[in-house]
Amino acid sequence: QQQVKQSPQSLIVQKGGIPIINCAYENTAFDYFPWYQQFPGKGPALLIAIRPDVSEKKEGRFTISFNKSAKQFSLHIMDSQPGDSATYFCAASPDNTDKLIFGTGTRLQVFP
Amino acid sequence: GAVVSQHPSWVICKSGTSVKIECRSLDFQATTMFWYRQFPKQSLMLMATSNEGSKATYEQGVEKDKFLINHASLTLSTLTVTSAHPEDSSFYICSAPLGGRVYEQYFGPGTRLTVT
Repeated sequence: QQQVKQSPQSLIVQKGGIPIINCAYENTAFDYFPWYQQFPGKGPALLIAIRPDVSEKKEGRFTISFNKSAKQFSLHIMDSQPGDSATYFCAASPDNTDKLIFGTGTRLQVFP
Repeated sequence: GAVVSQHPSWVICKSGTSVKIECRSLDFQATTMFWYRQFPKQSLMLMATSNEGSKATYEQGVEKDKFLINHASLTLSTLTVTSAHPEDSSFYICSAPLGGRVYEQYFGPGTRLTVT
């Protein structure tokens, strides 16, 4: 069964902190790993994505670290701000499909 | 970035009635769209893949006769919840991939369905 496990379920940091959200997968036939940000009552918005041939990708304050051998990937948010408070989902796409399998989500709260 | 819209944004209906939700890609064409369901504080669960010009593909456990999907054009997919029941109350979200693959998949703002 295709699954993406995400942790922690919730995370609280102070402004300027670096929250880290982790995901792990079992199916080696995934070839695309995006992260989405979702605010209450809204659809998810793509933050950043990585392919398995790259170990790290950075876009602005967001960085993905990817460990292919461990089948794990993580999102780091540098200099977090209260406006980053949202739910974050990792996802994975099986080879040769447009499907996305989502992780369980992490609710992040950044306090001033 | 590309824009995907949904209509309505919220709907309340009585048990036993049917509800149609529209998903439109506003500035790009999408031969494939996806429908998700999200319960409060939970993840997005893929319900089905909507294919323009052909039948939708449903995920395991999703009743195709209850959740009717029609991909009428390259910019419009509709989800009809037939004979809705309170347990169908949820947040329904569609998405469309830009560029024909999963890259830059854009999500609609969601439709909140409440069945009374």
